[in-house]
Amino acid sequence: GAVVSQHPSWVICKSGTSVKIECRSLDFQATTMFWYRQFPKQSLMLMATSNEGSKATYEQGVEKDKFLINHASLTLSTLTVTSAHPEDSSFYICSASNSGRGTDTQYFGPGTRLTVL
Amino acid sequence: RKEVEQDPGPFNVPEGATVAFNCTYSNSASQSFFWYRQDCRKEPKLLMSVYSSGNEDGRFTAQLNRASQYISLLIRDSKLSDSATYLCVVNVNTGFQKLVFGTGTRLLVSP
Repeated sequence: GAVVSQHPSWVICKSGTSVKIECRSLDFQATTMFWYRQFPKQSLMLMATSNEGSKATYEQGVEKDKFLINHASLTLSTLTVTSAHPEDSSFYICSASNSGRGTDTQYFGPGTRLTVL
Repeated sequence: RKEVEQDPGPFNVPEGATVAFNCTYSNSASQSFFWYRQDCRKEPKLLMSVYSSGNEDGRFTAQLNRASQYISLLIRDSKLSDSATYLCVVNVNTGFQKLVFGTGTRLLVSP
């Protein structure tokens, strides 16, 4: 089946620093990638949808200047958390989809656990 | 009201038992429906899509009732390895997918 990787799998950083998370589709071309965030004991929440070569579409309440998303190729999307604060500590999960439409399956990466001190 | 609601559980059942999970969704225009499984501190994995006609995959049966905006998952002959959190997921968009996840129902299968 389709494989999606994320790097790093976990990161601890100081408040005020920026952290970049990579999401790669290893064996298929992902026109669309999605970024989610999951706080403890809560559901996954969609943060943004990114299409290769286009600007990402952010969900309401997600600051686009704080969570920078780049989808420069059909196999790589990056999420940069700028000026991270403790409240940004969460489990960040990406998913990749061939077209991102209809009933296309989203394949999830293993997630990145971010802890901001 | 939450867009997708599930009983958080936990459901504690013995091996071999049959267990059913329910889920309701609020957006009547929702397009497609799924059950995902999430193990502790891991990413969600697709268990099955849910169709109006109902569908079965081995020990797992999913049902959709659009009129009542209700989705169910039935697990027969529970195994220890079925212990996980089961997420009800709804795609609420007609264009690009927007998956809305329930908070999940935790299942614990004991020997």
